[in-house]
Amino acid sequence: QSVLTQPPSVSGAPGQRVTISCTGSSSNIGADYDVHWYQQLPGTAPKLLIYGNSNRPSGVPDRFSGSKSGTSASLAITGLQAEDEADYYCQSYDSSLSGRVFGGGTKLTVL
Amino acid sequence: QVQLQESGPGLVKPSQTLSLTCTVSGGSISSGSYYWSWIRQPAGKGLEWLGRIYTSGSTNYNPSLKSRVTMSVDTSKNQFSLKLSSVTAADTAVYYCARDRRNFLAFDIWGQGTMVTVSS
Repeated sequence: QSVLTQPPSVSGAPGQRVTISCTGSSSNIGADYDVHWYQQLPGTAPKLLIYGNSNRPSGVPDRFSGSKSGTSASLAITGLQAEDEADYYCQSYDSSLSGRVFGGGTKLTVL
Repeated sequence: QVQLQESGPGLVKPSQTLSLTCTVSGGSISSGSYYWSWIRQPAGKGLEWLGRIYTSGSTNYNPSLKSRVTMSVDTSKNQFSLKLSSVTAADTAVYYCARDRRNFLAFDIWGQGTMVTVSS
C-alpha cells in the first residue's frame, strides 16, 4: 500500500490528452511538500519528468505538465505519442514518516 | 555530465548482508547541493526509497527498514554505499542509486540499476 495513491493504468489514443492523478494526505502533499513525477520506460531507470510540482527539467517536452492542489497532484500529457508509453510515478516527502514517498505507479498505454 | 553506477554482488544468501556501492563520475560527491539516495524496485512493482546520505555522513533512513539499513560515503573515492542486513527473498529487487537535490527533494539523476537476488 503506497502512501501516495495513483490509478494503476490510464490509456489514450495518439494525439489525445491524458491526466494521471496522485492523491496524498495532510502529512505529505497537503503539508505543502513538493510533488515530483518520474517516467520509467520499459527496462530502464526512472527519469525525472517534473519537479517542484510544475517545473520541467531541460530536455523534457512541454507536452508534459504538472499541477498541485490541496492533497492531490496531477500530471498531464498532451499530444500523446507512442514513445510516451511507460510507467509514471509521483513522489513527495512525508513528515510523519520523515522520508520520501512514492505513488504506486501508473502504466500509460498509447492505443 | 554526472553519471552514477551501482556495483555489487547480484546474488546474496538469505540472512546475509547485501552490500552495494554507487560510484559518481563527472562531478564531486562533496557538492553541498545534493543528498545521495538508494531506491529499490521489486520486479513488476513500484519504487521504494531506502534512505539518503549527505557528504558529511549524516543519514536518513526509511523507517520500515531503519533497523537493517546502513549507508556510508567515501568522498576520496567519490562513492557512497548501502548495506542491508538479514536479507530475505522480499529484498530481491533492482537497486538504484540516485542524486537527490536538496532544494527540491527530487531525484534528478539515477544509476542504471543493479539486480540483486536473495536466494540460497
